[in-house]
Amino acid sequence: EDQVTQSPEALRLQEGESSSLNCSYTVSGLRGLFWYRQDPGKGPEFLFTLYSAGEEKEKERLKATLTKKESFLHITAPKPEDSATYLCAVLLSGSARQLTFGSGTQLTVLP
Amino acid sequence: DVKVTQSSRYLVKRTGEKVFLECVQDMDHENMFWYRQDPGLGLRLIYFSYDVKMKEKGDIPEGYSVSREKKERFSLILESASTNQTSMYLCASSGSGGYNEQFFGPGTRLTVL
Repeated sequence: EDQVTQSPEALRLQEGESSSLNCSYTVSGLRGLFWYRQDPGKGPEFLFTLYSAGEEKEKERLKATLTKKESFLHITAPKPEDSATYLCAVLLSGSARQLTFGSGTQLTVLP
Repeated sequence: DVKVTQSSRYLVKRTGEKVFLECVQDMDHENMFWYRQDPGLGLRLIYFSYDVKMKEKGDIPEGYSVSREKKERFSLILESASTNQTSMYLCASSGSGGYNEQFFGPGTRLTVL
C-alpha cells in the first residue's frame, strides 16, 4: 500500500535554531514530491516540487531535498513567521493527477 | 499568480439542507479537485475533474456530488447535509503537461447543525 509519513508530528524551535522535517514514502513509483505550507484556517500554499533523487530546491530559509525513499525540508535560522503546518504530497506513477498527502508537521518557532 | 477562489469562507447549514460550494480558478487549469480536511485525518480527496463535464471519484465520495459545466468552475454539492460533513473544504486546481502542482483556495469552513 502506498504510504506517505511525515515526522515529527510537531516541532518546537527557538528562533534561529535550524532543523529538518522528514517525509518518507513507500510507493510503487514516484513521479513527483511536493511541499506545502499551511497556516491555521487557510488553504495550503505551494512551496516546492521535486522530481528526482538528488534534486534540491531553495526558497529563503527553506531547502527541500529528495532521495529515493524520503524528502527533507531543512529550515535554516527560522523566524516566528515560519510557524505553520508543513505538508508533503506525492504524485504516483499510476496516477495522472491525484496527490497523496502526508498528515503534516506542525512547526512552532518561538521568539 | 494562480488564483483559486471559493464562494464562502464560513457556512452554517442545517441537517438535511442542500449545500453548494463553488470554486473558481483563473489559470485555465484542466484539473480541479475537492478535498476535505479534518484534524487527525489530513487531506482527503472527495472528487476531481480533468475536463469540463468529466469527474472522477476520490477516496471519500459518499454523500457528495460535483458539477463542472465550465472549465474555470467546479462545484461541490451536498445533497442532504449531515453533521458528519462538518469540515474544512478545500478546492484546488492544476495544469497539465507535466505541471502537477496543485494550487489551493482559501477553504470553506462548513458547520452542519
